[in-house]
Amino acid sequence: AQSVTQPDIHITVSEGASLELRCNYSYGATPYLFWYVQSPGQGLQLLLKYFSGDTLVQGIKGFEAEFKRSQSSFNLRKPSVHWSDAAEYFCAVGALYGQNFVFGPGTRLSVLP
Amino acid sequence: AAGVIQSPRHLIKEKRETATLKCYPIPRHDTVYWYQQGPGQDPQFLISFYEKMQSDKGSIPDRFSAQQFSDYHSELNMSSLELGDSALYFCASSLRKREADSGANVLTFGAGSRLTVL
Repeated sequence: AQSVTQPDIHITVSEGASLELRCNYSYGATPYLFWYVQSPGQGLQLLLKYFSGDTLVQGIKGFEAEFKRSQSSFNLRKPSVHWSDAAEYFCAVGALYGQNFVFGPGTRLSVLP
Repeated sequence: AAGVIQSPRHLIKEKRETATLKCYPIPRHDTVYWYQQGPGQDPQFLISFYEKMQSDKGSIPDRFSAQQFSDYHSELNMSSLELGDSALYFCASSLRKREADSGANVLTFGAGSRLTVL
């Protein structure tokens, strides 16, 4: 069964600083990987996804993520964080259609002015 | 573009009452999923439907039931509510056929329905 770990429960960065959120997955086959963002009291918004091909994927809001099969990782990055990026970030691993997602525990991002 | 619509957005119930949450998927999406997210928790999969038939089942309590109707909207029925049922309930939809080329499943989530049980 697939599983996802996000080692960092809470990260605080200053506005304008770079950001990297870690995600490690466990899955027996080629994973389909996703990052979702959840603002307080809001739904889950898809930031980016990886299916195959180029291991560096670009998403919305200036985010990118790199798939590293050797490390079973799919870390999320942003070169310069904005105050509006403060939210909860969930990494998820999906599978073939018809099967559900598995979410990681989430990383809460706080941004200092 | 149309998104996944959930209603109500907020619901307050007392213990042992019943509650019904509704989900309207993106038009032409054929699969609906329900997730439960407790305070400070990650979303946990409850149940999914494909073409109005139950597709997959997760950690849905026996007190809960769900169905998908002919217009593809779905309802999650919760009975004998307990304090621990207080959570944010997400519905998501996807179009399985469209993702057939990649084989992957991309879920679009609604804003959620917040249930508070007093």
